[in-house]
Amino acid sequence: AQKITQTQPGMFVQEKEAVTLDCTYDTSDQSYGLFWYKQPSSGEMIFLIYQGSYDEQNATEGRYSLNFQKARKSANLVISASQLGDSAMYFCAMREGKGGGSYIPTFGRGTSLIVHP
Amino acid sequence: DTGVSQDPRHKITKRGQNVTFRCDPISEHNRLYWYRQTLGQGPEFLTYFQNEAQLEKSRLLSDRFSAERPKGSFSTLEIQRTEQGDSAMYLCASSLDFRDYEQYFGPGTRLTVT
Repeated sequence: AQKITQTQPGMFVQEKEAVTLDCTYDTSDQSYGLFWYKQPSSGEMIFLIYQGSYDEQNATEGRYSLNFQKARKSANLVISASQLGDSAMYFCAMREGKGGGSYIPTFGRGTSLIVHP
Repeated sequence: DTGVSQDPRHKITKRGQNVTFRCDPISEHNRLYWYRQTLGQGPEFLTYFQNEAQLEKSRLLSDRFSAERPKGSFSTLEIQRTEQGDSAMYLCASSLDFRDYEQYFGPGTRLTVT
């Protein structure tokens, strides 16, 4: 079974509108973390936002927020007021502890977002 | 600091040859990660270091792959007896250990095995 599932291969949004990118995860750990990265066409991955499994509040970073629903095992990324520069691949990822402070991150397949003017 | 750098940016090699890639992390970062990314996929974890210690290695990583970080600064990833299936983008990232989710990625090394 996939640990991270991103069901939307591609999304389109009008500039200045909000968009939600879906992510579901699978883990039996109690302590884990979820995060999102952006990969523009230039190729370099850019960290966006992180949510720990014990965090009670949804994480926010500027125009990015993570809609964390633990019971549903979902960690959707919400981008408010989309900009043309938001056009990129977006990857959801999870870190699971392996003990001793060690962990392995797992990335989803990504969602391509295109922002139209 | 100029960020994470990787060398070379592109490598074309013939099947069966050995290749070595280098990664220079952000200087104050004590964690360094290697990933492999193929077209249409997310990065696939290969291994990571805390200073010079290799803490985790993916079970998917065959014994043809080896990585080192001898002085806790730069790292090398070597692939021996390359196969066509090794063709991919190899990404390096670094982070602080207490913010290991916030990784800074390099531009990658694109490997083509012919």
